Amino acid sequence: EAGVVQSPRYKIIEKKQPVAFWCNPISGHNTLYWYLQNLGQGPELLIRYENEEAVDDSQLPKDRFSAERLKGVDSTLKIQPAELGDSAVYLCASSSGLAGDYEQYFGPGTRLTVT
Amino acid sequence: SQQGEEDPQALSIQEGENATMNCSYKTSINNLQWYRQNSGRGLVHLILIRSNEREKHSGRLRVTLDTSKKSSSLLITASRAADTASYFCATDPYNTDKLIFGTGTRLQVFP
Repeated sequence: EAGVVQSPRYKIIEKKQPVAFWCNPISGHNTLYWYLQNLGQGPELLIRYENEEAVDDSQLPKDRFSAERLKGVDSTLKIQPAELGDSAVYLCASSSGLAGDYEQYFGPGTRLTVT
Repeated sequence: SQQGEEDPQALSIQEGENATMNCSYKTSINNLQWYRQNSGRGLVHLILIRSNEREKHSGRLRVTLDTSKKSSSLLITASRAADTASYFCATDPYNTDKLIFGTGTRLQVFP
């Protein structure tokens, strides 16, 4: 079974530039998550999707971050414009049910460096 | 915000020794999960323990949960160099439908 796929694995951009991350969850997983992980910290939830609906985006900085999950499968997370403080690892995860009751499967992440 | 806090922040042991790491959290939970993260395999689920359970085993892993103290522990027995990783607890607080990860314990196992 293929795992969660993310691309790109690494991205270096200058501040004020836009950037996008892509995620393909495990087949059949209706729940998809985007997390941000700073160095030395645990992942922090940005947004959670149930199928194509964003059911929890309370931690997403909506002035510069946006996300979509068309057709309830792939998802894209975008930052525009990027700031120096956005440098972090962006993780995508999926699960077959609600967050706490089911294990989450994580992708390898995208390491973003904003210069 | 991070609800869980692992202790110690870092731990170094020799192969064959046991490793114990603790997690404390702030609010009542439905479940608690432990994850491992290393550079090779990313973040991987280890074990889930429900709020009505007190102890759970999986291979060399033993997890305990004390809801009265709002704390959990992860014991890795007979550690191996391959256990070198960061370990995170993640809680599922009541009425949130989300996992909140702790700050992690960095475990180094020397051959």
